[in-house]
Amino acid sequence: QSALTQPPSVSGSPGQSVTISCTGTSSDVGSYNRVSWYQQPPGTAPKLMIYEVSNRPSGVPDRFSGSKSGNTASLTISGLQAEDEADYYCSSYTISSTWVFGGGTKLTVL
Amino acid sequence: QVQLVQSGAEVKKPGASVKVSCKASGYTFTGYYMHWVRQAPGQGLEWMGRINPNSGDTNYAQKFQGRVTLTRDTSISTAYMDLSRLRSDDTAVYFCARDGHGYNCDYWGQGTLVSVSS
Repeated sequence: QSALTQPPSVSGSPGQSVTISCTGTSSDVGSYNRVSWYQQPPGTAPKLMIYEVSNRPSGVPDRFSGSKSGNTASLTISGLQAEDEADYYCSSYTISSTWVFGGGTKLTVL
Repeated sequence: QVQLVQSGAEVKKPGASVKVSCKASGYTFTGYYMHWVRQAPGQGLEWMGRINPNSGDTNYAQKFQGRVTLTRDTSISTAYMDLSRLRSDDTAVYFCARDGHGYNCDYWGQGTLVSVSS
């Protein structure tokens, strides 16, 4: 099972919006609405930000939103804040009853 | 509150095995699957496997089939990850993470560093 494809890095200024893509295949992202997104600041454990493509857990700001089209899922962060700077990972359930993560995207707030 | 507390750092030699524990509290241990995910230094997250603490049923990533064993002890609400035939590229932080019923990991342990070196 190959890792999902994410851009290595994205950046934006405070207040702007950024979108991180996550491309898989018809065996994972394209087969289920079971895509999650995680935020990981350096040296910490990941934190769930989005589940089932577009749902936010309690406590996650509504500046974070998710979507999916075909084999590609996306995470959009609007109104960027300095505290959003972190690594972001997507994950998807697969037809083999396993999970696969993306390679990760480093978000820099300029 | 939900907490996952993992065992401490380990240093192992190539060819050895390591067993990492993950003690759960604040919820019904048998009611949620538990995932294991690792992260090599400077690298991304890698899914290793999942266990149903109620039944003991497991799913493993193909990459780790035959080398990883996930178990649990329901009497002490603890999950275990056993990795054998260690190599230097197994050096990583190993996380346990609860499956939040939505095919996601909603709570994570603090991570356990496993270093493999001769």
